[in-house]
Amino acid sequence: DTGVSQDPRHKITKRGQNVTFRCDPISEHNRLYWYRQTLGQGPEFLTYFQNEAQLEKSRLLSDRFSAERPKGSFSTLEIQRTEQGDSAMYLCASSPGSVLTSYEQYFGPGTRLTVT
Amino acid sequence: AQKVTQAQTEISVVEKEDVTLDCVYETRDTTYYLFWYKQPPSGELVFLIRRNSFDEQNEISGRYSWNFQKSTSSFNFTITASQVVDSAVYFCALNTGNQFYFGTGTSLTVIP
Repeated sequence: DTGVSQDPRHKITKRGQNVTFRCDPISEHNRLYWYRQTLGQGPEFLTYFQNEAQLEKSRLLSDRFSAERPKGSFSTLEIQRTEQGDSAMYLCASSPGSVLTSYEQYFGPGTRLTVT
Repeated sequence: AQKVTQAQTEISVVEKEDVTLDCVYETRDTTYYLFWYKQPPSGELVFLIRRNSFDEQNEISGRYSWNFQKSTSSFNFTITASQVVDSAVYFCALNTGNQFYFGTGTSLTVIP
């Protein structure tokens, strides 16, 4: 399977704990995105990487959220001191890209986070 | 401000009927991209189409067609002769710069 993979698929944590999610993009894709989706809503953009550089971060993203993409391959999204409002599906997507053109994104299956 | 509006929250049609999903977007940028994605009950978003702001040609792919009108800031999606497998949530999305903006989606149910 050469699609986008995410791990874990489900995570239940207690309020105040830290969690980390992993995303493995399609290997030849240099762009990687993180989104959050809650029930009945569309994906909400969180952050974007071009290779290893984090080029965009949503203003809505709390300081408790941090993302990395070392070596421009897989990426991790960490949430510190989780709150119940962080409960959502966290989606990762990748795409090829250039400076001048935007391409379609390929989405992973998501990590469902439940904060109790 | 950038925004995507999908006013139709839920639509139900009987199999073989045609259905149009509406998408209205807002942006002041002159260069932007529009997308449609399908999210079936299994949950994974699937890309359907991409359009850039300089290409207003309508597109047809099998039973799917898209109508892009810059004059009304709309990018509507029509499914002809709907099938049960078309049941899903459909999202319209706008890309400007490095950000993507998704609408709230339209849930389509095709009744056999």
